[in-house]
Amino acid sequence: AQSVTQPDIHITVSEGASLELRCNYSYGATPYLFWYVQSPGQGLQLLLKYFSGDTLVQGIKGFEAEFKRSQSSFNLRKPSVHWSDAAEYFCAVGLNFGNEKLTFGTGTRLTIIP
Amino acid sequence: KAGVTQTPRYLIKTRGQQVTLSCSPISGHRSVSWYQQTPGQGLQFLFEYFSETQRNKGNFPGRFSGRQFSNSRSEMNVSTLELGDSALYLCASRGDRDEQYFGPGTRLTVT
Repeated sequence: AQSVTQPDIHITVSEGASLELRCNYSYGATPYLFWYVQSPGQGLQLLLKYFSGDTLVQGIKGFEAEFKRSQSSFNLRKPSVHWSDAAEYFCAVGLNFGNEKLTFGTGTRLTIIP
Repeated sequence: KAGVTQTPRYLIKTRGQQVTLSCSPISGHRSVSWYQQTPGQGLQFLFEYFSETQRNKGNFPGRFSGRQFSNSRSEMNVSTLELGDSALYLCASRGDRDEQYFGPGTRLTVT
């Protein structure tokens, strides 16, 4: 069965600093990979996704992620964070397009300090 | 277009009762999935409906059930509520080519 690991439970960064959130997955083939963001009391918003092709994907709000097959990783990056980026971030894996069962990581809570 | 809507947004129930949650997908979307989010277990897949048929199911007891109507609206039902069923229940819809879009969730508290 597929699994997703987000090793960092909580990360604190200064406003304007760069950010990298880690995500590792376990799956026999190339999965469909997603990053979602959740603000307190809200649902999940999709930041970006990887299905195939270019391994560097651009998302909304200035986020990008890079798929590295050799490391089974799909890390999320942002060059300069804003206070509004404070939220919880979830990495998720899907088996294939059309299979709706997403497996989520445990999430990384991002705190931004001024 | 309008997003995924879930009703009610908040719900308080007593142990042993049953509850029904509703989800209206984005117009034109035929797939609706349900997830449970708790602090201890995180986000877990409950089930997915497509064109009124359950297509995928997670590892939850039979107390959790769902259905989908011809207009793609979906309901999930939890019978004989337990304290551990307290959670945020999220619904997501997907069109033929789109990724999943999530609703704001229903916060269920079981006392």
